[in-house]
Order: sequence, then structure tokens, then C-alpha cells
Amino acid sequence: AQSVAQPEDQVNVAEGNPLTVKCTYSVSGNPYLFWYVQYPNRGLQFLLKYITGDNLVKGSYGFEAEFNKSQTSFHLKKPSALVSDSALYFCAVRAASGGSYIPTFGRGTSLIVHP
Amino acid sequence: GAVVSQHPSWVICKSGTSVKIECRSLDFQATTMFWYRQFPKQSLMLMATSNEGSKATYEQGVEKDKFLINHASLTLSTLTVTSAHPEDSSFYICSARGTGADYSNQPQHFGDGTRLSIL
Repeated sequence: AQSVAQPEDQVNVAEGNPLTVKCTYSVSGNPYLFWYVQYPNRGLQFLLKYITGDNLVKGSYGFEAEFNKSQTSFHLKKPSALVSDSALYFCAVRAASGGSYIPTFGRGTSLIVHP
Repeated sequence: GAVVSQHPSWVICKSGTSVKIECRSLDFQATTMFWYRQFPKQSLMLMATSNEGSKATYEQGVEKDKFLINHASLTLSTLTVTSAHPEDSSFYICSARGTGADYSNQPQHFGDGTRLSIL
């Protein structure tokens, strides 16, 4: 079975500082990994994905994530946080082949950026 | 591109009524649509997966007679909450994934959700 862990319910960071939102996963074989963001009373918006290739993936709004196969991690990062980045962030995984085609989502991490 | 429209965005109704939520893919064809339920400050709970033209696959613990899902076309799926009660109050979100050979590595596209409040 595939699973995703987002170990932090909440991450607090000051505006202008770098931010990291952690995600680790478990899946059979190679993973497809995704990050989404959710603003209050809205659906999820796609930020970035890792399918294959370069371990550092760049996405929307200046976010990036690094795939680390040995640590089975896919942490979301941004060099300089904005107050407007405050939202709920979800990591998702599914197996590249075999297994369920339905992505599994983490429980979400609330990012709060303080002015 | 890849816009998913979900309506209504907010519903308040009396206990015992049925509520229909629509999910449309506006600029792409969605082979698969997903319905989620989200409680305050909690993660998404997958309720069911629907493929166009076939019956929905419900997750364990989700009552199929309570939450009716129809996916009659490649651009429309509906969720009907039948005889709704206060405990059905929640935020319901649909998502869709397109067709094509590489659909499996494509992200899901989400609607903006429906806030359902049963009095």
C-alpha cells in the first residue's frame, strides 16, 4: 500500500525567510509525487510534480521540491516566503506502475507566514 | 487550461432534503473524477472514484445509497447527497484527471469545493 507522511501539522516562518514543508512517502517501485496548495474555502491547486529526471523540480509561485530516493522524501521549499504563501499544503504520491492509480494524499501542513 | 467548475459553492438546506453537486471539466475530457470530503483542518477523505460510463467505486465506509455519483459524460460528474442530515455537513471537493496515454502522471485538477450545511 502507498502512503504519505507530512510530519508537521503547522509550519511557521517569517516573511522573507526560507521555508520547508516536509513530505515522506512509501510506495512500491518508482513514485509519482505531487504538491498541491489549498487556500481557505477553495479547492486544491497543483504546484509541482516529480515524474522522472532531475531531482529538483521547480513549480508555480517560486516553489520547488527535491526528490530524494534514498530518504523517500519530497520536501517543498521556497527561498523567500511571502505572507500570501500562507495556506494548506498537501503532498500526494502514487506508484509509477502497478498498484493503485489513485493518488494518496498526506494529511496536509498549514503554512503560516508572519509579516 | 484544465479548469474544473464545481457548483454550487455553498448550500444551506433543511434536514431530509437531497442536494446535488455538479463537477464539470471545462476545457478537457475527464476520464476519471474523484469526490472528496474534507472536515475542518483535516485532510481530504476520498469518497469515491468514477469513470465515465461506469459505476462509481466507493471507498470503504462510504454509503453508496447515501452518496449517489453519476459520471454520464467525459465532462460532467454529479454527487447527490440523499436525505441529508446535519452530520453530512462538510466541504465536498471534486477533481478530474484527463485522458491520454500519460494521464497517470498528470496532476488532478480540482473544483473549488461545495460547502454543505444541513440545518
